[in-house]
Amino acid sequence: NAGVTQTPKFRVLKTGQSMTLLCAQDMNHEYMYWYRQDPGMGLRLIHYSVGEGTTAKGEVPDGYNVSRLKKQNFLLGLESAAPSQTSVYFCASSYSNGQPQHFGDGTRLSIL
Amino acid sequence: TQLLEQSPQFLSIQEGENLTVYCNSSSVFSSLQWYRQEPGEGPVLLVTVVTGGEVKKLKRLTFQFGDARKDSSLHITAAQPGDTGLYLCAGVRGAQKLVFGQGTRLTINP
Repeated sequence: NAGVTQTPKFRVLKTGQSMTLLCAQDMNHEYMYWYRQDPGMGLRLIHYSVGEGTTAKGEVPDGYNVSRLKKQNFLLGLESAAPSQTSVYFCASSYSNGQPQHFGDGTRLSIL
Repeated sequence: TQLLEQSPQFLSIQEGENLTVYCNSSSVFSSLQWYRQEPGEGPVLLVTVVTGGEVKKLKRLTFQFGDARKDSSLHITAAQPGDTGLYLCAGVRGAQKLVFGQGTRLTINP
């Protein structure tokens, strides 16, 4: 089982560039999430979705946009990358709110 | 301010020793989850505790949910190098989204 797949695994960007991170899940989960993980700060929720066509802001949404056009995919976009967005990004999915989340293996993003 | 405070943040011990990791909050949670994360991978769920005072065992790992559902602990008996990793607790409060602690980075030395 693939579970949650994130692409790409690594990326280096220059300040001001844009990019999209892709997350795909094959578990038919309704809920999907994007987190960033920084040293000493655990996982912080950027945006989430409670179903196809829906998105909502999490704890740290500024500078990011998301889309959920298909149930299995959740895209995270950086419109104009900044060095403060250097982080490891994780996508997760769950059956419903509060249920255990299944995570991808992360995307390591560096903004120069 | 972290809603869930984990302690210690770093722990390095010898193989065979016992250890306890704590996850504390001033808020009440309807349930609490523990995850383990290894380098280069995403977190993987270990256990979910739901009832105040609940104790769950997973081989050498014992998880406890506080009576007031504000805190939890993870106790590892006879730690092994394979237990090395980042341990994360995460709490659920009603309809709100899962909130993670900052993690405890555990290293077990052979």
